[in-house]
Amino acid sequence: AQSVSQHNHHVILSEAASLELGCNYSYGGTVNLFWYVQYPGQHLQLLLKYFSGDPLVKGIKGFEAEFIKSKFSFNLRKPSVQWSDTAEYFCAVNPEAGTALIFGKGTTLSVSS
Amino acid sequence: DAGVIQSPRHEVTEMGQEVTLRCKPISGHDYLFWYRQTMMRGLELLIYFNNNVPIDDSGMPEDRFSAKMPNASFSTLKIQPSEPRDSAVYFCASTSGGYGYTFGSGTRLTVV
Repeated sequence: AQSVSQHNHHVILSEAASLELGCNYSYGGTVNLFWYVQYPGQHLQLLLKYFSGDPLVKGIKGFEAEFIKSKFSFNLRKPSVQWSDTAEYFCAVNPEAGTALIFGKGTTLSVSS
Repeated sequence: DAGVIQSPRHEVTEMGQEVTLRCKPISGHDYLFWYRQTMMRGLELLIYFNNNVPIDDSGMPEDRFSAKMPNASFSTLKIQPSEPRDSAVYFCASTSGGYGYTFGSGTRLTVV
């Protein structure tokens, strides 16, 4: 069965530090990849998505992610985090259109000011 | 667009009672998903529909859970009887064409 692994359970950073959250998936075929963010007490919001083309994807709020097919990875990055980035981040895979998103367990990011 | 609308936002009920959660997807979206979120298990897919037809209900925990989508603009998730271990946040999401989902605000269910 397809699965998504997020290696970091909890990341603690100071403001202005750089961020990289790891995500690996297990699926041999073409996949669609997503990062969602969930601010405390809120619903999931789409940060960015990759379907095809340029493997470096830019999303909202200065986030970007790089798809490396050979490593089955889709890591999320931000050059300089802000206190307002404190949230839980979920990587998700959609093996094909019409199937459900498969989520990783999530990574909690805490940013101190 | 009002987005995906879920009701109620919070539900507290006693063990053994019936609970009904409601979802209104975004107009024009042909897929609807129900997820459950807990600290221990993260986000779990319960069931999803395409054009009002259930496609995959393998994530429904047991017979106490049932979901319906009588029309394109409404879906319910029912738990009968409810148990404390059902306490979680239940999210509904919808999408058009199966790519990139929009989530509702969720229903926080507490069964005491």
